Amino acid sequence: QQPVQSPQAVILREGEDAVINCSSSKALYSVHWYRQKHGEAPVFLMILLKGGEQKGHDKISASFNEKKQQSSLYLTASQLSYSGTYFCGTEVGDDKIIFGKGTRLHILP
Amino acid sequence: ETGVTQSPTHLIKTRGQQVTLRCSSQSGHNTVSWYQQALGQGPQFIFQYYREEENGRGNFPPRFSGLQFPNYSSELNVNALELDDSALYLCASSLGQGLTYEQYFGPGTRLTVT
Repeated sequence: QQPVQSPQAVILREGEDAVINCSSSKALYSVHWYRQKHGEAPVFLMILLKGGEQKGHDKISASFNEKKQQSSLYLTASQLSYSGTYFCGTEVGDDKIIFGKGTRLHILP
Repeated sequence: ETGVTQSPTHLIKTRGQQVTLRCSSQSGHNTVSWYQQALGQGPQFIFQYYREEENGRGNFPPRFSGLQFPNYSSELNVNALELDDSALYLCASSLGQGLTYEQYFGPGTRLTVT
């Protein structure tokens, strides 16, 4: 089952915060977050494993709520370089990762 | 350190033909995963190879097959091409099997089937 990402798209001004959500209908083993800029390959952001955890580096962090089968990606004080499409990928312990349809983020100066 | 490379960059094939795409993994990585990305969609997992063995497969028919070589480079073969196979094909390498390792993606091969 493909995870559902919300919102589908968001436009922010530089310095504003954003939250991108990822929900699954199945119990999750891990959640993966990637960012892809137009015409480029996806770039790894972070992996969160079951057990419920929060991770972060710089101004990008994420949480994983195992019980709710949800993960959220938090972008704080967004920069122009944060523009792109964000994908969450979920894994249910069967060595298959399924990516959502993505959330397009556009940062305005 | 050399990143993940893929060849060719672009490819045009006719329906019914066969195609082979190639991927060289990042130095030190023993695992390669392949993805299909249609325009405006997220990558779809095709399969993963770890030390020359298939280790996990997505919902793709058997006409999608792969190989991994002793140097950990990999090939994706698609037989009997269909129009819907037109997509960007991405490979990603990682340090270990399974999906709890960071994956490094290559630039992709754009396949067009006419």
